[in-house]
Amino acid sequence: GAVVSQHPSWVICKSGTSVKIECRSLDFQATTMFWYRQFPKQSLMLMATSNEGSKATYEQGVEKDKFLINHASLTLSTLTVTSAHPEDSSFYICSAIPPQGEGPKNIQYFGAGTRLSVL
Amino acid sequence: GESVGLHLPTLSVQEGDNSIINCAYSNSASDYFIWYKQESGKGPQFIIDIRSNMDKRQGQRVTVLLNKTVKHLSLQIAATQPGDSAVYFCAETGAGAGSYQLTFGKGTKLSVIP
Repeated sequence: GAVVSQHPSWVICKSGTSVKIECRSLDFQATTMFWYRQFPKQSLMLMATSNEGSKATYEQGVEKDKFLINHASLTLSTLTVTSAHPEDSSFYICSAIPPQGEGPKNIQYFGAGTRLSVL
Repeated sequence: GESVGLHLPTLSVQEGDNSIINCAYSNSASDYFIWYKQESGKGPQFIIDIRSNMDKRQGQRVTVLLNKTVKHLSLQIAATQPGDSAVYFCAETGAGAGSYQLTFGKGTKLSVIP
């Protein structure tokens, strides 16, 4: 149980275009999902907390107009990198938390990540 | 949380030996800790967790030790196998039922020598 699917796994785009990344909880409903960014040989940095039916909460320094998050259903959150530039190239990872009572507290289950390369 | 560095600490162990990966945390209010394993090009996988009211927890081939006095966490892997090669992250979260955010440590790269 607690499988999180992320799509696509790898995307290459031209500078100035927008890219959408999907994060799905396959066997549970997730009211809360998280989006992280990870540079090579570095740790995961939280970008935003995505709550179903409400606006995402962004971490300090993360541009909300640049990284649009939509959590329209209990099983899907999307991250759109708008007007992508080469410096946005990174590994983006989502995670989801099962509802309370369906597992240990606070365990986040992660997707496989999306490698974004902006040319 | 810990600062993020440009170079991951690396631990090399011989296959069959035991591995010990260490993590220091800074928030004394953290009450829940998780170890994740991340293989190259993949997302982190849950390994084991421990609450602050415990000092030791064992899983299959893995043991987590928590020393709250010095804010130190360790992951012990018994009889390390090539498939254990990955980057290992500790993560902490604060007290309270509404605390879901995790703060990740810098990670340690484990390389298993066949």
